[in-house]
Amino acid sequence: GEDVEQSLFLSVREGDSSVINCTYTDSSSTYLYWYKQEPGAGLQLLTYIFSNMDMKQDQRLTVLLNKKDKHLSLRIADTQTGDSAIYFCAEWASGGYNKLIFGAGTRLAVHP
Amino acid sequence: ETGVTQTPRHLVMGMTNKKSLKCEQHLGHNAMYWYKQSAKKPLELMFVYSLEERVENNSVPSRFSPECPNSSHLFLHLHTLQPEDSALYLCASSQENKNIQYFGAGTRLSVL
Repeated sequence: GEDVEQSLFLSVREGDSSVINCTYTDSSSTYLYWYKQEPGAGLQLLTYIFSNMDMKQDQRLTVLLNKKDKHLSLRIADTQTGDSAIYFCAEWASGGYNKLIFGAGTRLAVHP
Repeated sequence: ETGVTQTPRHLVMGMTNKKSLKCEQHLGHNAMYWYKQSAKKPLELMFVYSLEERVENNSVPSRFSPECPNSSHLFLHLHTLQPEDSALYLCASSQENKNIQYFGAGTRLSVL
């Protein structure tokens, strides 16, 4: 079946890099996503990667995709207190209709 | 501002009440979605509407009744809810042939 797993919590020091990891099960997923949710807000699309790519970089964000291991990661360089949020990994499910399968989210806490 | 607006932001209701959640998108999209977000659980897709027709219903109890009168508006009608229905309800929209979904800020529902 379709499943996306993430660790629930990550704590980093301000200025360090954060790496949030995700594993998924649907090997035919064409797109994988990272969404950010700040307190009291909805989900904000941060970035996405097409399955024929291994890496995508966008300013402080780097997404790495290992299709063999079905592993996706999000690296945030120079993490700031404003990066504190919940980060959701999601895959585009094959079959069905326009369906995103989400992980439970990783809460990133940035401390001084 | 994502272009997807949900009202109300917060709602408290008793188990015998009837209420409705509203979602409006200003992005020109033609597909809309309801998700349920419970603490420490993945987002659960509840309903999908494409071109104002319901195309997916993920075994949601009948006490939740969606309505999509046009491509810009989506409602979720609630009646005789249970305390376990307390959650954040998120609306999203997309173009029918595109796989990027944009989310509203959600309605935080508490059922007493």
